[in-house]
Amino acid sequence: GAGVSQSPSNKVTEKGKDVELRCDPISGHTALYWYRQSLGQGLEFLIYFQGNSAPDKSGLPSDRFSAERTGGSVSTLTIQRTQQEDSAVYLCASSLVGSPLHFGNGTRLTVT
Amino acid sequence: QKEVEQNSGPLSVPEGAIASLNCTYSDRGSQSFFWYRQYSGKSPELIMFIYSNGDKEDGRFTAQLNKASQYVSLLIRDSQPSDSATYLCAALNYGGSQGNLIFGKGTKLSVKP
Repeated sequence: GAGVSQSPSNKVTEKGKDVELRCDPISGHTALYWYRQSLGQGLEFLIYFQGNSAPDKSGLPSDRFSAERTGGSVSTLTIQRTQQEDSAVYLCASSLVGSPLHFGNGTRLTVT
Repeated sequence: QKEVEQNSGPLSVPEGAIASLNCTYSDRGSQSFFWYRQYSGKSPELIMFIYSNGDKEDGRFTAQLNKASQYVSLLIRDSQPSDSATYLCAALNYGGSQGNLIFGKGTKLSVKP
């Protein structure tokens, strides 16, 4: 596609429910990143995928968070048993190795 | 802990002035540097990238890199109210962790008409 696509753009869920956020990177981009941004805050790194290498999961805040990337393309970020502190904008970005990141429009998650 | 430091601001400049945004980084292995602009409620968008010491100009924007001082800056000439946004600095180390890329927390710029 022309850019990084994220879905849904907005998600409201009840505390304790599981959610899945999807990212479709730019075709051919081997690197894929997930970040979280709370209101008025900077980007919080979550996870990084590069080709077929093991992902860098060092930013995942708890074991309720997981992500996968199938076929080196689409990625899904899953949050289990959501908590109110999980409310934030979740941003996906992709790139060629060593090149600038291209960000999607993000998914705004609200946990009630 | 590898970090990228930015003054959070807000940095306020009058319309038409030069806005100077600064960034320092701790990882001497960083090789590439990026400036992103983020409008409120929007995603970051790439403004400039720089790999070599010195200046790189693109229209009203100039990125400056000094690897010896571990310092990166972004100059915006003839600032416009539409430049009001948060500017994020990022440093990339091809061999590093966190996906090799560290972001600063951003500097909020306000350009007053």
